[in-house]
Amino acid sequence: RKEVEQDPGPFNVPEGATVAFNCTYSNSASQSFFWYRQDCRKEPKLLMSVYSSGNEDGRFTAQLNRASQYISLLIRDSKLSDSATYLCVVHAWGKLQFGAGTQVVVTP
Amino acid sequence: DTAVSQTPKYLVTQMGNDKSIKCEQNLGHDTMYWYKQDSKKFLKIMFSYNNKELIINETVPNRFSPKSPDKAHLNLHINSLELGDSAVYFCASSQQTGLEQFFGPGTRLTVL
Repeated sequence: RKEVEQDPGPFNVPEGATVAFNCTYSNSASQSFFWYRQDCRKEPKLLMSVYSSGNEDGRFTAQLNRASQYISLLIRDSKLSDSATYLCVVHAWGKLQFGAGTQVVVTP
Repeated sequence: DTAVSQTPKYLVTQMGNDKSIKCEQNLGHDTMYWYKQDSKKFLKIMFSYNNKELIINETVPNRFSPKSPDKAHLNLHINSLELGDSAVYFCASSQQTGLEQFFGPGTRLTVL
């Protein structure tokens, strides 16, 4: 079983709609969690950290469920510029483990 | 004002050659990393250095040798390149391990 698993998608989302997706992790000792965004042929960039109580940054909301070992990302009022691959990242044992990414395609 | 820079951006070479990729960060971070992203887009850590000391060395062929002359630089040398080495190699840095990482633009390596 992979340490960090994501639905690869693609999630095709009409502009203005809401999209949400999860990421599961296997290591219960994982200490911190992040969502990164990667555009085609570019480097990954931090979108947001994920806090235990859940957190929001503009149209983006991240949640952590330690009991079920998953994190989620919700994007409201999707923009064309939100089209990207979203990488779930989990910190455990001194290193970051990256998921393979969930592709989101926002269509006009 | 680039935070993490890598050179070269593209590298096309023949099988069996030896090549190096350079990485520099001007963020004052203590920790630097090398990742490989293959055609399936999976980003896999190869090495991590903290203050010039190797702290993570994943199962990587010993044809790959990282070198950190100082904490702002982490270079990657690859001997006897193979077709399977073709990938995008990303350098990254963070203030400490486990914190947010900042990535360089990547080096797209193609081995023919």
